[in-house]
Amino acid sequence: QKEVEQNSGPLSVPEGAIASLNCTYSDRVSQSFFWYRQYSGKSPELIMSIYSNGDKEDGRFTAQLNKASQYVSLLIRDSQPSDSATYLCAVKRGAQKLVFGQGTRLTINP
Amino acid sequence: DVKVTQSSRYLVKRTGEKVFLECVQDMDHENMFWYRQDPGLGLRLIYFSYDVKMKEKGDIPEGYSVSREKKERFSLILESASTNQTSMYLCASTLGAERPYEQYFGPGTRLTVT
Repeated sequence: QKEVEQNSGPLSVPEGAIASLNCTYSDRVSQSFFWYRQYSGKSPELIMSIYSNGDKEDGRFTAQLNKASQYVSLLIRDSQPSDSATYLCAVKRGAQKLVFGQGTRLTINP
Repeated sequence: DVKVTQSSRYLVKRTGEKVFLECVQDMDHENMFWYRQDPGLGLRLIYFSYDVKMKEKGDIPEGYSVSREKKERFSLILESASTNQTSMYLCASTLGAERPYEQYFGPGTRLTVT
């Protein structure tokens, strides 16, 4: 079992709809979770971090964490074509290291 | 803004050559990381450094070494390049003591070994 798993997609969502990206992790004691966005040909950039169970909202983005079920989600409301990218889920492992999922490729269709 | 730079965007080397990839950050960060990114495999940690001259192996250190002689600079060394080391290499550093897990990435070096 991989430490961090994501559906690689591609996930296709119409413009204006909600895009839902999911991630599961295997280490039950993990405490810190991150979502990175990577545009084609670019490096990953941090867009959200979440440390507590529940929802964390930042503009059109909402991160959701459920530690009991060991999953993290990213919701993108009012999806825009500029949201088309690969989204990487990352989980803190030990001290100061991250483990990344393989990423989900998201395409927003105008 | 955090600035992480890498010495080359594209690099082509021959099998058996010694290859140096350099990364520099300008924010006095303690921690620096080297990853490689391959389709379907995501980002995999090669090495990381938590202080000058201090290093720790990641998940795939074989065939690589690192050097950190100054706080701002972290080098990845391919001792004898092989074709299976053709990949995108990404350097990252952390924001600082307050947020040690939030990593910021350089632009990447696409290395091709022929």
